[in-house]
Amino acid sequence: QKEVEQDPGPLSVPEGAIVSLNCTYSNSAFQYFMWYRQYSRKGPELLMYTYSSGNKEDGRFTAQVDKSSKYISLFIRDSQPSDSATYLCAMNDQGAQKLVFGQGTRLTINP
Amino acid sequence: DVKVTQSSRYLVKRTGEKVFLECVQDMDHENMFWYRQDPGLGLRLIYFSYDVKMKEKGDIPEGYSVSREKKERFSLILESASTNQTSMYLCASSVLGGRAQDTQYFGPGTRLTVL
Repeated sequence: QKEVEQDPGPLSVPEGAIVSLNCTYSNSAFQYFMWYRQYSRKGPELLMYTYSSGNKEDGRFTAQVDKSSKYISLFIRDSQPSDSATYLCAMNDQGAQKLVFGQGTRLTINP
Repeated sequence: DVKVTQSSRYLVKRTGEKVFLECVQDMDHENMFWYRQDPGLGLRLIYFSYDVKMKEKGDIPEGYSVSREKKERFSLILESASTNQTSMYLCASSVLGGRAQDTQYFGPGTRLTVL
């Protein structure tokens, strides 16, 4: 079993829809949770970061962590065609220099 | 702005060739990483380095080696390329000993095809 599981999709939704992207993990030591966005033919870039459980909001994006269920989510409100990308979750534990990544979910927002 | 550059965007090599992938970062980061990215498998860590001349194996080091002679440069070497090493290779850097949430900054990637 992989430490981090993420549905690779692809996921295709109409413009304006609410998008929900999810990851599950097995290592209860993970405390830091990140979402990276990767546009086609580019490297990943950090979109949001969350520590421990709870929610974090940044504009149209909300990151949610439920440590009791070992489940994290990224919500995109009022989705735009420019949100079309691959979204990767990543996580690590205190002091770790390495990140553990999910497989990435390819998202397409249709105008 | 952190900048991580990789020597080539696209590379085509033949089976058995020795291949060098170069990565340079300009933010004085101690940590540098090499990943490969394949459909359905996500990012897998090949090697990382936390200091000059220091290296540690990642999850899939077989068939690869690395070199870090200068802080800003981290090279990935395929000693004898094989077709199963056809992939997207991504380099990243980050601050050593920073907060755990200190992000890794990625280069644009090198798409390597081995024929």
